[in-house]
Amino acid sequence: RKEVEQDPGPFNVPEGATVAFNCTYSNSASQSFFWYRQDCRKEPKLLMSVYSSGNEDGRFTAQLNRASQYISLLIRDSKLSDSATYLCVVNPYGSSARQLTFGSGTQLTVLP
Amino acid sequence: NAGVTQTPKFQVLKTGQSMTLQCAQDMNHNSMYWYRQDPGMGLRLIYYSASEGTTDKGEVPNGYNVSRLNKREFSLRLESAAPSQTSVYFCASSGEMGQPQHFGDGTRLSIL
Repeated sequence: RKEVEQDPGPFNVPEGATVAFNCTYSNSASQSFFWYRQDCRKEPKLLMSVYSSGNEDGRFTAQLNRASQYISLLIRDSKLSDSATYLCVVNPYGSSARQLTFGSGTQLTVLP
Repeated sequence: NAGVTQTPKFQVLKTGQSMTLQCAQDMNHNSMYWYRQDPGMGLRLIYYSASEGTTDKGEVPNGYNVSRLNKREFSLRLESAAPSQTSVYFCASSGEMGQPQHFGDGTRLSIL
């Protein structure tokens, strides 16, 4: 089983729609979780960290479910500019500081 | 406010040639990383440096070497380029291991 798994998509949604992505991780000791976005032919950029109690940043909401070992990203009122690949990122090594593991990404296209 | 700077941005090599990809960060980060990303695939870690003076292999180190020249700079060397090393190479840095990483804008490398 991969350490981090994402549905590759693509997700094609109309502008204004709400869309959600899930990501599962294999190591129950994982401590740090992040969502990155990557535009076509660009570098990945940190979108938001994911906290245990869930957190929101504008139209974006991230949640963590430790019992089921998944994190989610909800995008409300989708904009054309949200079209990108969303990468789930996990530190799978618990409290031991190690390198992050990146998922392969979920592709989102927001249609006019 | 440069962040992570990679040079060159594009390069074409012939099989068997060598070259060094340069990476520098101005955020006083301790940890630095090299990734490769192939079309339609996720990021794969080549090498990383947890702190100045240390380097470690990642998921796909074969055919590469690295040097952590000082705290700011982390270079990646291809000693004898092969077509299988055609890829986009990203350098990243983070304050410490396990913390969010900041990426350079990539080097697009083609090996003929």
